[in-house]
Amino acid sequence: ELKVEQNPLFLSMQEGKNYTIYCNYSTTSDRLYWYRQDPGKSLESLFVLLSNGAVKQEGRLMASLDTKARLSTLHITAAVHDLSATYFCAVGKMSDDKLIFGTGTRLQVFP
Amino acid sequence: GAVVSQHPSWVICKSGTSVKIECRSLDFQATTMFWYRQFPKQSLMLMATSNEGSKATYEQGVEKDKFLINHASLTLSTLTVTSAHPEDSSFYICSARERIGGIYGYTFGSGTRLTVV
Repeated sequence: ELKVEQNPLFLSMQEGKNYTIYCNYSTTSDRLYWYRQDPGKSLESLFVLLSNGAVKQEGRLMASLDTKARLSTLHITAAVHDLSATYFCAVGKMSDDKLIFGTGTRLQVFP
Repeated sequence: GAVVSQHPSWVICKSGTSVKIECRSLDFQATTMFWYRQFPKQSLMLMATSNEGSKATYEQGVEKDKFLINHASLTLSTLTVTSAHPEDSSFYICSARERIGGIYGYTFGSGTRLTVV
């Protein structure tokens, strides 16, 4: 059974600081997704990572994938308040293309 | 980009009644859609996979007679919560899968907040 874990579950950080969110998964997968969710809203797609060593960057967010370690990271650079949200990673099951979500990381950026 | 429309955005219903939630892919055909539920401050839990023209596949522990899924066309899937009870109150989100250039992309609806009183 595919399990996806994120840490930390909650992250409170000061504006301007850097931090990394980790996403571990338990079985082989060929794709990993990162999403953002604002309170009471649906999911916004951030990144799709498809191969070992893939790195993608958008603004202050950078995501990477290590398929051998079954680990993805979402790095936040010089955080700003607008980044406050919950971030989910999701892993695609190779057997049936379902997406299994991680536990989520609630990020709060304060001045 | 791909757009998935989900209605209603929120609904309040009385215990024992049924509620239907619609999920439409607006600018692409989705042979496969997924239904998730999300409790406050928790992750998304996959409930079922909806396949056009065939029966839905439910995840373990999800009652198929309570959560009826119909995927009658390539652009519409519906989730009906039958005989709703307060414990069914949750945020329900649909997702439509689209294959673009050999890669699967998943577009999510705006979600439906169901409150059963």
